[in-house]
Formats: sequence, structure tokens, C-alpha cells
Amino acid sequence: RKEVEQDPGPFNVPEGATVAFNCTYSNSASQSFFWYRQDCRKEPKLLMSVYSSGNEDGRFTAQLNRASQYISLLIRDSKLSDSATYLCAVIYRGSGNTGKLIFGQGTTLQVKP
Amino acid sequence: GAGVSQSPRYKVAKRGQDVALRCDPISGHVSLFWYQQALGQGPEFLTYFQNEAQLDKSGLPSDRFFAERPEGSVSTLKIQRTQQEDSAVYLCASSLKQGRPQNEKLFFGSGTQLSVL
Repeated sequence: RKEVEQDPGPFNVPEGATVAFNCTYSNSASQSFFWYRQDCRKEPKLLMSVYSSGNEDGRFTAQLNRASQYISLLIRDSKLSDSATYLCAVIYRGSGNTGKLIFGQGTTLQVKP
Repeated sequence: GAGVSQSPRYKVAKRGQDVALRCDPISGHVSLFWYQQALGQGPEFLTYFQNEAQLDKSGLPSDRFFAERPEGSVSTLKIQRTQQEDSAVYLCASSLKQGRPQNEKLFFGSGTQLSVL
């Protein structure tokens, strides 16, 4: 089982739709969580960090559920420009851990006109 | 300022050939990571440096893979006797310093696309 798992999709949604992605992680020692965006043939770029209390940045809302070990990303009022792959990423800490960032497989979103 | 720079952008190698991939991190960034990304997959962790020290190399797939960062800035990922399964995009990323959440944002280079024929 992979340490960080995502549904690869693709998620095909019309413009203006609300779409949500989940990501599960297996190591309860995980302490930092992120969503990255990756456009086709480009490098990943940080979209937002995910805090325990949940956080919002414009149309994007990220939430963390430690009890169930998952993080989520909600995109409201989808735009064509939101089409991309969304990667969740987790940093583990603990004995012998160096804080390496582990990525999920990514979830592909296609927003249609 | 300049971002993370990787070279070459594309590399075609014959099976069995050795290759060296270069990464110039953002100036002042202490932490440097290498990832391997196959088509349709997320980036897979290879190795991690803090300054010149290689703190974690648990992701290197075999002893044909070797990474170094001798002066704590530029890093080189070397792959010996390349195999077809090594074909992937190799991404380098740097951060101010792992250990403090406010410093852990990773900045990625554009990657080196390696094709082994």
C-alpha cells in the first residue's frame, strides 16, 4: 500500500461546478500537509498548505482530518484554468525522519466549457 | 531571483550509458531533494540533502543511482549503466530548510526528461 493515496480520476466537470478531492495517508506520524498543482509537462507548484483548522484561499478550501487520516481540497466555481493534476503531499517526522515530502499519485481535473 | 535550475532539459541515452543530471537550487536554500516522476504518476522521493550531508537516500532504486552535493549548493544525480526503466522525469527541488513548517515550501526545477533507448 502506498503511503499517500489519491484517486487518479480524471474528474471531468463543467465550468462553475464545485469539485472535491480526497487524499489518504497511512503514517499517523505525519505532521505537515500540502496540495501542489502540476500542469502538463510542468513542475509541481505549491497550491496551499493544509492546517489542522482548515484553510481557505479564494475558491480553494483545504481540510485535514487526523482521526481518519485524510486531507481534502475543495474547488468552488471551477474555471477552465483549474484544469491540472492536483498532488497531495505529506511530511513525516519522527525518529530518524528527515522531513521528506511524500507525494500521492495525483488527481487529474478537466474543467469543460 | 532565479529559481531552481536543472540541466539538461532533455537527455537521450543508450542503454548501458552513464548519465549525470545537474541541479542548481535557489541560493541560500539548505534542503535539496531529488524525485523521479514516471508518466501518469506522482513524484517519487529519491534522496534528500541538508547542505552537503545526504540525510536520506532511501528512495534510490538501486546502487546504479548516486547523488552528491559536495559544497552544499549544486547537486548532481548520476545514473550508471542506464536501463529502459530509468526513463522518467527527474525533478530537483529546494527549500529554505526542512524542520520548520514556514520554511518547507518546496520549489521545483523544470526537470530533466531522461529517455533510455
